[in-house]
Amino acid sequence: NAGVTQTPKFRVLKTGQSMTLLCAQDMNHEYMYWYRQDPGMGLRLIHYSVGEGTTAKGEVPDGYNVSRLKKQNFLLGLESAAPSQTSVYFCASSRNLTPGQAFFGQGTRLTVV
Amino acid sequence: TQLLEQSPQFLSIQEGENLTVYCNSSSVFSSLQWYRQEPGEGPVLLVTVVTGGEVKKLKRLTFQFGDARKDSSLHITAAQPGDTGLYLCAGAYNNNDMRFGAGTRLTVKP
Repeated sequence: NAGVTQTPKFRVLKTGQSMTLLCAQDMNHEYMYWYRQDPGMGLRLIHYSVGEGTTAKGEVPDGYNVSRLKKQNFLLGLESAAPSQTSVYFCASSRNLTPGQAFFGQGTRLTVV
Repeated sequence: TQLLEQSPQFLSIQEGENLTVYCNSSSVFSSLQWYRQEPGEGPVLLVTVVTGGEVKKLKRLTFQFGDARKDSSLHITAAQPGDTGLYLCAGAYNNNDMRFGAGTRLTVKP
């Protein structure tokens, strides 16, 4: 039972480089989310999707783009990485918002130097 | 300012002690969830509360949803080292997305 799978698990980028983080879920969930987690800040929502072909901005969307071309995949892109984007990124999915049980991937630790 | 305020931010106690952590907001939530996160892992759901005043028990953990559905608490009885972790509350915001508090980092010493 894979659940939510994130790739890669670790990455080091140079300032200005671009990359895409991939999230895949096999639970047929409608909702998918990208969060970043920084010390003392908890999980902050970057972008989310309420279904295939839809995306929306969360709390901290600047510097990121997302796409949800297939229901099972949610991609997070960094076009020009900055040191402020050094963080641990988590993808999650849920069937609905209420009661809203979210399943998380294991995270991607990104360092921008 | 976080939509969901959690307190305390850090808590260090001895094995066998009881503790309560809080999750507060000025907004009304249709439901709140509590998650536990261990180092290097993603958060894992502990419980969801939906009805104002609801109390749910999960072994030594007791969760309560406030009558006005703006706050919640998590009480742990006779804490054990295995309870160590980051406890996060979360709720649906504007019926669109899911927001998290900053968490309470609990350490239970043997």
